[in-house]
Amino acid sequence: ETGVTQTPRHLVMGMTNKKSLKCEQHLGHNAMYWYKQSAKKPLELMFVYNFKEQTENNSVPSRFSPECPNSSHLFLHLHTLQPEDSALYLCASSQGQGFAEAFFGQGTRLTVV
Amino acid sequence: DQQVKQNSPSLSVQEGRISILNCDYTNSMFDYFLWYKKYPAEGPTFLISISSIKDKNEDGRFTVFLNKSAKHLSLHIVPSQPGDSAVYFCAASAQAGNMLTFGGGTRLMVKP
Repeated sequence: ETGVTQTPRHLVMGMTNKKSLKCEQHLGHNAMYWYKQSAKKPLELMFVYNFKEQTENNSVPSRFSPECPNSSHLFLHLHTLQPEDSALYLCASSQGQGFAEAFFGQGTRLTVV
Repeated sequence: DQQVKQNSPSLSVQEGRISILNCDYTNSMFDYFLWYKKYPAEGPTFLISISSIKDKNEDGRFTVFLNKSAKHLSLHIVPSQPGDSAVYFCAASAQAGNMLTFGGGTRLMVKP
């Protein structure tokens, strides 16, 4: 248990669906991140929030829409995804915007059909 | 173009022997390096780190070596245990506390 919880753990969605991934951290951290891990690829940073403000958007398509209502919660809203968006989506948090020694959630395994 | 590369996708080692995982980087601005470990169905967990002002950092069975001139770092696990079987990711940042760039990972299998 890392103190970062992601739900759901698995998600299968059609290309016309709208779904949301949720991340919650109980560590008192003020920075939260979304990462994508595709098969045989390095972890890719998607978004960074620091004190609820988005500080990084790594050229992510608009069909992925993040939301950070407070420093403990982070959402990733999904809309009209493509099959190639199927991947493991990882949330992480850290103290400060720094990423060193960030704590990761268990991830959501997303399959787009 | 990947700035952090782990050229061995997998490594198999006998229990009790040494495991050596390698990582190469191209960005000379990187000055902080970390290793993460990932079990199936879990997120990565931080393992050990090293700053560019050092060439070695040790924590129990885990030692990270940094060769700045070669832009190469390695993680040594000795003795290796079956519970060490996981995917290991190397990561680097340009400043301590900045965003990390990850390698593709190496799957380590430690056989009893």
